[in-house]
Amino acid sequence: GIQVEQSPPDLILQEGANSTLRCNFSDSVNNLQWFHQNPWGQLINLFYIPSGTKQNGRLSATTVATERYSLLYISSSQTTDSGVYFCAVDYLQGGSEKLVFGKGTKLTVNP
Amino acid sequence: ETGVTQSPTHLIKTRGQQVTLRCSSQSGHNTVSWYQQALGQGPQFIFQYYREEENGRGNFPPRFSGLQFPNYSSELNVNALELDDSALYLCASSVLGGASIQYFGPGTRLLVL
Repeated sequence: GIQVEQSPPDLILQEGANSTLRCNFSDSVNNLQWFHQNPWGQLINLFYIPSGTKQNGRLSATTVATERYSLLYISSSQTTDSGVYFCAVDYLQGGSEKLVFGKGTKLTVNP
Repeated sequence: ETGVTQSPTHLIKTRGQQVTLRCSSQSGHNTVSWYQQALGQGPQFIFQYYREEENGRGNFPPRFSGLQFPNYSSELNVNALELDDSALYLCASSVLGGASIQYFGPGTRLLVL
């Protein structure tokens, strides 16, 4: 099956710093989503980005589908950005559209 | 908020018992998917329901079963609970064949003792 790898696994920043999270995937996919999981477990949709670049405030994402990777940029980080960031690829298998998740990047932003 | 709700929020069971978790999908969505997230891991796909039928299954044993109702809400049933079933269970709703964006509920935390 498809493999999704995220790096780095852990990231510690000071407030105000910028960061780049990476997601590599091993096969062609229908789409890719980035999520932020808050401390209570809620997965919050950040981007739906099968290809190209999107921006939403301090966050932006780029997916290069031909090279099978996606990047999530966080600028001017805030303590509220702490949590686990997941990328998930939509893998069509036998008619079902299942999301295959990476193991996540745990981000800690210190004041 | 995504409009996807799950109940209960927390649950404690003992080994061998059975559990039912519930999910209400977002208005206009016809597909519900269930995921299991063990501590420190990414969510793993259990199965997907579309038009009240199972529409794909991950690597989970038959004691994990589900239902989807005409209003597109769904249940996840787990029989003969094992300690390793302790996890966060997430449901996601979407429109099959649409943009495929899946929206997640807040999850149910299950602890098996």
